[in-house]
Amino acid sequence: NAGVTQTPKFQVLKTGQSMTLQCAQDMNHEYMSWYRQDPGMGLRLIHYSVGAGITDQGEVPNGYNVSRSTTEDFPLRLLSAAPSQTSVYFCATGGQGVRGAPLHFGNGTRLTVT
Amino acid sequence: AQSVTQLGSHVSVSEGALVLLRCNYSSSVPPYLFWYVQYPNQGLQLLLKYTSAATLVKGINGFEAEFKKSETSFHLTKPSAHMSDAAEYFCAVRLDTGRRALTFGSGTRLQVQP
Repeated sequence: NAGVTQTPKFQVLKTGQSMTLQCAQDMNHEYMSWYRQDPGMGLRLIHYSVGAGITDQGEVPNGYNVSRSTTEDFPLRLLSAAPSQTSVYFCATGGQGVRGAPLHFGNGTRLTVT
Repeated sequence: AQSVTQLGSHVSVSEGALVLLRCNYSSSVPPYLFWYVQYPNQGLQLLLKYTSAATLVKGINGFEAEFKKSETSFHLTKPSAHMSDAAEYFCAVRLDTGRRALTFGSGTRLQVQP
């Protein structure tokens, strides 16, 4: 049981390049989300999805796009990378139907934009 | 809106000493509260959660936390620190909404001295 799988683990981009961070889950969770982690700031929500075909913005959505065509996958796209997007990105999924159900996190993608 | 404050970005204790990591929250409605631990180069792992069932919550690895509504606190404790407890700890709050987003504190890095 893989849980939440993120690829790649590391990525270096030049300013202006585009890329997609992948997130896949095998827990049949309807809720999926993306966070970025920066030193001294905890984790901040970028985008989230409550099911296939439904996405919404979080706290820091600018510069990122998402789509949700299947329950299993929730890719995060950077259309034109900027140095301010250097960060560690985490995908998190959550169960439904249980009050207070926690989020389950992937191991992260460390992105550097030069 | 909700927010989380973690007092002390770095805490250092001796092996065998009490661990106390502080977390205060603000929320307009009763929240769900979580503590996550992050080991180097890994994702976040759930330590424990408060979902209104009991004010004293026991988690994994000997950690526990007490929900104090009057103080709006959810401090994390462990009676005797172990070297393997060295990690970064995050407190998070979530409201009972469909968004299921977590609001994180800025994190506390725990160092355990031999």
